[in-house]
Amino acid sequence: AQTVTQSQPEMSVQEAETVTLSCTYDTSESDYYLFWYKQPPSRQMILVIRQEAYKQQNATENRFSVNFQKAAKSFSLKISDSQLGDAAMYFCAYRSPVSNYQLIWGAGTKLIIKP
Amino acid sequence: EAEVAQSPRYKITEKSQAVAFWCDPISGHATLYWYRQILGQGPELLVQFQDESVVDDSQLPKDRFSAERLKGVDSTLKIQPAELGDSAMYLCASSSDRVPGNTIYFGEGSWLTVV
Repeated sequence: AQTVTQSQPEMSVQEAETVTLSCTYDTSESDYYLFWYKQPPSRQMILVIRQEAYKQQNATENRFSVNFQKAAKSFSLKISDSQLGDAAMYFCAYRSPVSNYQLIWGAGTKLIIKP
Repeated sequence: EAEVAQSPRYKITEKSQAVAFWCDPISGHATLYWYRQILGQGPELLVQFQDESVVDDSQLPKDRFSAERLKGVDSTLKIQPAELGDSAMYLCASSSDRVPGNTIYFGEGSWLTVV
């Protein structure tokens, strides 16, 4: 069965600095998709970034980028120039045809931004 | 930008009463999900629909929970009777899987408190 592990329950970073959130996953499949979602105190789950496993190029969205290492089954999220609005729970998630394309979630990392 | 609509945002109900949540997915999205989320944890899938058909309801407590999507568009999740342990956020999400692995988009959630 596929699993997703986020080993950092909580991370803190100074405003304007860079922080990296870790995510590893376990799968025997070759076709899958990886996501980072953000959940601020308002509780809405918001997509941050997605990565298709068949793409070698790392996805980027403005200040957010990933380091996707398929062989190591690692999918870390880098947030550059951290802003107060980045404070939230960040969830890593995995999706594949084998699991009916359901999202398999990590436990989440709480990101604290220090002003 | 199209969004997943949910109502009510907040509901307080007494134990043993019935409660219902409504979800309208993004137009054209055939796949609809209901999740339950306890504060500080990742979402737990309750039921997945493909159009009007249930794809997976293995985690739905069927003695008290029911879900329907009669015309394959909007959906209702019902709890009867509500128990104290049902207090949680109920998230609805949808996706268009014309392209496999498409992003799943979430609504703002319905926060339930059972007293």
